[in-house]
Amino acid sequence: GQNIDQPTEMTATEGAIVQINCTYQTSGFNGLFWYQQHAGEAPTFLSYNVLDGLEEKGRLSAFLSRSKGSRYLLLKELQMKDSASYLCAVVDSNYQLIWGAGTKLIIKP
Amino acid sequence: IAGITQAPTSQILAAGRRMTLRCTQDMRHNAMYWYRQDLGLGLRLIHYSNTAGTTGKGEVPDGYSVSRANTDDFPLTLASAVPSQTSVYFCASSPRTSSGELFFGEGSRLTVL
Repeated sequence: GQNIDQPTEMTATEGAIVQINCTYQTSGFNGLFWYQQHAGEAPTFLSYNVLDGLEEKGRLSAFLSRSKGSRYLLLKELQMKDSASYLCAVVDSNYQLIWGAGTKLIIKP
Repeated sequence: IAGITQAPTSQILAAGRRMTLRCTQDMRHNAMYWYRQDLGLGLRLIHYSNTAGTTGKGEVPDGYSVSRANTDDFPLTLASAVPSQTSVYFCASSPRTSSGELFFGEGSRLTVL
C-alpha cells in the first residue's frame, strides 16, 4: 500500500529552527506538498517540490532530494503562531494525493 | 471572497438518519473533493469530481454518495448514518485534477450517535 510517514509530534523553542521530515512509499511521484493546519481549522497550502531542490518562502523552506531520499520542511525563527500540524502529501503516478497523518508542532516560549 | 463554503459547520445526528453536507465554491475550479479527517490518520478521500457531471470513488466511499450537477456545488450525502461516520469532513477544490494544491473549506464536524 501507499504510505506517508512523518513524526507524530515535535517540540521546539520560540526563535529556534525546526526540521520536519517526511518519507513516502507511493506508486510514482509527481510532487511533494506541505500544508499547515491549526487546531480546529482547515489545512492551508504552504509549499511544494516537484524537482529536487530548495523552495524558500520567508521563514519557511521545503527541501527535496529524491536521490538522497531526503525531504523536509524547515521553519526558522519560530513564532508561537507556528504551533500547528504540518501535513505532508505526495501526488502519485495516478495524480492522487496521498496524505500523511501530520506532525503536531508545539512551540514553547 | 468566499472561496469554499461548507454547511453545516457542526451537526449531531442520530444513527440511521440521512444527512447531506453542502459544499459550494466560487473559484470556478474544475476539481472538487470530499475528505474525512480522524485523529491520528491522514486525510482520507471519500469521493471526488474532476469536472461537472463526473464523480469518482476515493479511498473510503462506502456509505457516502456525491453529485456534481454544476461547477460550484458538490454535496456529500450519508444515506443512513452510522457512528463510524463521526468525523470532521472537509470539502476541497483545485483548478486542475493533477494539482496537489487544494483549497479547503472550513470543515463540517459530524457526530453520529
